[in-house]
Amino acid sequence: NAGVTQTPKFRILKIGQSMTLQCAQDMNHNYMYWYRQDPGMGLKLIYYSVGAGITDKGEVPNGYNVSRSTTEYFPLRLELAAPSQTSVYFCASSFTGQLEQPQHFGDGTRLSIL
Amino acid sequence: KNEVEQSPQNLTAQEGEFITINCSYSVGISALHWLQQHPGGGIVSLFMLSSGKKKHGRLIATINIQEKHSSLHITASHPRDSAVYICAVRIAGNQFYFGTGTSLTVIP
Repeated sequence: NAGVTQTPKFRILKIGQSMTLQCAQDMNHNYMYWYRQDPGMGLKLIYYSVGAGITDKGEVPNGYNVSRSTTEYFPLRLELAAPSQTSVYFCASSFTGQLEQPQHFGDGTRLSIL
Repeated sequence: KNEVEQSPQNLTAQEGEFITINCSYSVGISALHWLQQHPGGGIVSLFMLSSGKKKHGRLIATINIQEKHSSLHITASHPRDSAVYICAVRIAGNQFYFGTGTSLTVIP
């Protein structure tokens, strides 16, 4: 029962570097999400996808890009890392066949930009 | 202004106490989600509800759509219940807004 798998778990980047946070789910969920969680703040939606080939911006999309070429994978790309992007990133997925379908979360990626 | 407000922010209880965590929201929603975030950071879904009441073990969640309010109750609290409890609302387009969480500590 893998569920939602995020890699890496931890990463330190220098300002201006780029990286991709990986997210995979094996539940055949059509919806996938990327959130960031800053200390003392609620999770904020960065991007989401309602299915392969379809992505849309959330509340805080600036500085990030996503792609969804398959149902299983939803990578998040940071092109020019900035200190403000230091955060914990969570990927989640859900199946929206019914109204009360919950989100399933990965274990998170803790990212520090120095 | 947050679309989702939780109270209290922090809560300390003695083992065995009945606990209530409240969530109020200001937007129209299709469903409300209660989540538990463990000290290690992992997030687990507890309940997703759109009306009425749901019960799972010692946890009970209720929602009043007209009053835009939900409560999470924990009966016979235990130290292993210590975690951050997060309320989230699902709005049109299947986006979610999250509260900042209630940090619960249950003392033996």
